[in-house]
Amino acid sequence: EVQLVESGGGLVQPGGSLRLSCAASGFTFSNYWMTWVRQAPGKGLKWVAHIKGDGSQKSYVDSLKGRLTISRDNAKNSLYLQMDSLRADDTAVYYCVRDMGYYRFDYWGQGALVTVSS
Amino acid sequence: QSALTQPASVSGSPGQSITISCTGTSSDVGAYDYVSWYQQYPGKAPKLMIYAVTNRPSGVSSRFSGSKSGNTASLTISGLQAEDEADYYCTSFTSDTTREAIFGGGTRLTVL
Repeated sequence: EVQLVESGGGLVQPGGSLRLSCAASGFTFSNYWMTWVRQAPGKGLKWVAHIKGDGSQKSYVDSLKGRLTISRDNAKNSLYLQMDSLRADDTAVYYCVRDMGYYRFDYWGQGALVTVSS
Repeated sequence: QSALTQPASVSGSPGQSITISCTGTSSDVGAYDYVSWYQQYPGKAPKLMIYAVTNRPSGVSSRFSGSKSGNTASLTISGLQAEDEADYYCTSFTSDTTREAIFGGGTRLTVL
């Protein structure tokens, strides 16, 4: 059974940093692009970043570029999202998502809530 | 373009059919057959319902179908059931260099 379990969310002050982790199981992790999608409270979904199975290609949404770093450790079946210089409008649930190819997001984690507030 | 355009809400009675539209541009929906649809219940993660415009993943009811014409994709739910009440989002690959994929703003489906 495919499982994606996020961790690392929580309350952080504006300007602070946070690293989200996603533990994957039930599939050959290194074979898949992985994506982070976020959802602000009461709002819609927003594509944030993705990374190729071998880690050789990464892409970010322009509005967050420079403040985010996506990475993965295939030996640990884990995906990460380092977030720096956090702002109040970064407050959201962050989902770890598997991409089956062609932006077909077939498995989602339960989400990690990040709250940026003083 | 910040998001694909979806109606904020649609409604229908049990047994009826409804269609949710998703309008993009020639840089996304109109250019690629990489349109997917997701169902989301409050407080839950989204679930893939349709991919590559018309394809249903295993386990998704045949009452859900997808189509596309020009820059607009559509999700049709036939034989509405109470359990279909949820939020629905479309997404598409985009050649817009500011991102890789773009989501719709979401549509709240109410089953009357």
